[in-house]
Amino acid sequence: DAKTTQPNSMESNEEEPVHLPCNHSTISGTDYIHWYRQLPSQGPEYVIHGLTSNVNNRMASLAIAEDRKSSTLILHRATLRDAAVYYCILRDSMEYGNKLVFGSGTILRVKS
Amino acid sequence: EPEVTQTPSHQVTQMGQEVILRCVPISNHLYFYWYRQILGQKVEFLVSFYNNEISEKSEIFDDQFSVERPDGSNFTLKIRSTKLEDSAMYFCASSRGLAGGSRETQYFGPGTRLLVL
Repeated sequence: DAKTTQPNSMESNEEEPVHLPCNHSTISGTDYIHWYRQLPSQGPEYVIHGLTSNVNNRMASLAIAEDRKSSTLILHRATLRDAAVYYCILRDSMEYGNKLVFGSGTILRVKS
Repeated sequence: EPEVTQTPSHQVTQMGQEVILRCVPISNHLYFYWYRQILGQKVEFLVSFYNNEISEKSEIFDDQFSVERPDGSNFTLKIRSTKLEDSAMYFCASSRGLAGGSRETQYFGPGTRLLVL
């Protein structure tokens, strides 16, 4: 799996937007960019994924650079419940059932 | 919304004892996984399972580990002779198993916290 680089931690104020960056300079053409998060004492949870175009869902938005070497997860209004570790993971779209390789992720702290 | 369930939520065992961790994956999913997370460390892949056989396993998944799908709904992880270093949170996950994008989304259970004394 291609590697990703994320900041160790970030802090945000409640109700403000949060931009979580991820660098993946060795991404291949068939790699999807997936984001998962892990709330305290819980299992990882899917957030969003994309290939080339920016994506929105009820949880977040994903902005993908034109060269696909970086992406940004956007939480539009952070809440205390968004405090978690956020993982950026590349997944090969040509493979079936392949494992998730978790890095250290970004610890997001949300202040009230 | 369908979800992955795991039992028990907590398990305490003596070193050398056998433990079985149980999971019920989402019903129409074809791929099943076990991951573990030692306290304060990364989530680590253990094994994936498809069509009643192991499709991939990590170096962690040695001879003391085994997986089974004993019926149409359960997926189990057995640790034959537990060691102190097996103490961790064990997560089961499942995915639909079709290549590409969201069809490969993995859904995780809440985990079983295993403590080996």
